[in-house]
Amino acid sequence: KNEVEQSPQNLTAQEGEFITINCSYSVGISALHWLQQHPGGGIVSLFMLSSGKKKHGRLIATINIQEKHSSLHITASHPRDSAVYICAVLRGSNYKLTFGKGTLLTVNP
Amino acid sequence: GAGVSQSPSNKVTEKGKDVELRCDPISGHTALYWYRQSLGQGLEFLIYFQGNSAPDKSGLPSDRFSAERTGGSVSTLTIQRTQQEDSAVYLCASSLVLGETQYFGPGTRLLVL
Repeated sequence: KNEVEQSPQNLTAQEGEFITINCSYSVGISALHWLQQHPGGGIVSLFMLSSGKKKHGRLIATINIQEKHSSLHITASHPRDSAVYICAVLRGSNYKLTFGKGTLLTVNP
Repeated sequence: GAGVSQSPSNKVTEKGKDVELRCDPISGHTALYWYRQSLGQGLEFLIYFQGNSAPDKSGLPSDRFSAERTGGSVSTLTIQRTQQEDSAVYLCASSLVLGETQYFGPGTRLLVL
């Protein structure tokens, strides 16, 4: 079993829909990252969080440390949100990121 | 300001040759990381540097891989005697200090024939 599991692997939505991507992890962490990668493009860090909730524009990330679970929400989704979303965790003992396999989101107009 | 830059953007090499990949981090960032993204494998950590401290090389897949960071700035990842399984996108990232938000470069796409 991977230390970081994401679901779903693939997600197709219609423009305007509310999107949720989930991330579960099995190790103790000091922080969790959500990253975005557009097709053929670079990786952008969206959030780094260790507790609670963060919001940036239409994106919201939450984390529940006790349940070892995080969610990334996108409100009013748009075709430009189409990308791979990657969850990664930073263990408390070191600074090496462990990555999930990513969720491919396609938002159709 | 300038982001993380990597060169070359693409590299095609023959099996058995050595390659060098370069990363220029954001100015002032003390932490620098190398990752590999293989088709179907996702992202994996290779090595990180923090200032003048000894790097954490625990993610390097074999002794054919090495990296250095000169003067606390530019880093070079070297792969000796390349194999076809080394084909991947090699990504560099930097952060102000270890553990902070990482800024990724565009990657170097390596193809070993």
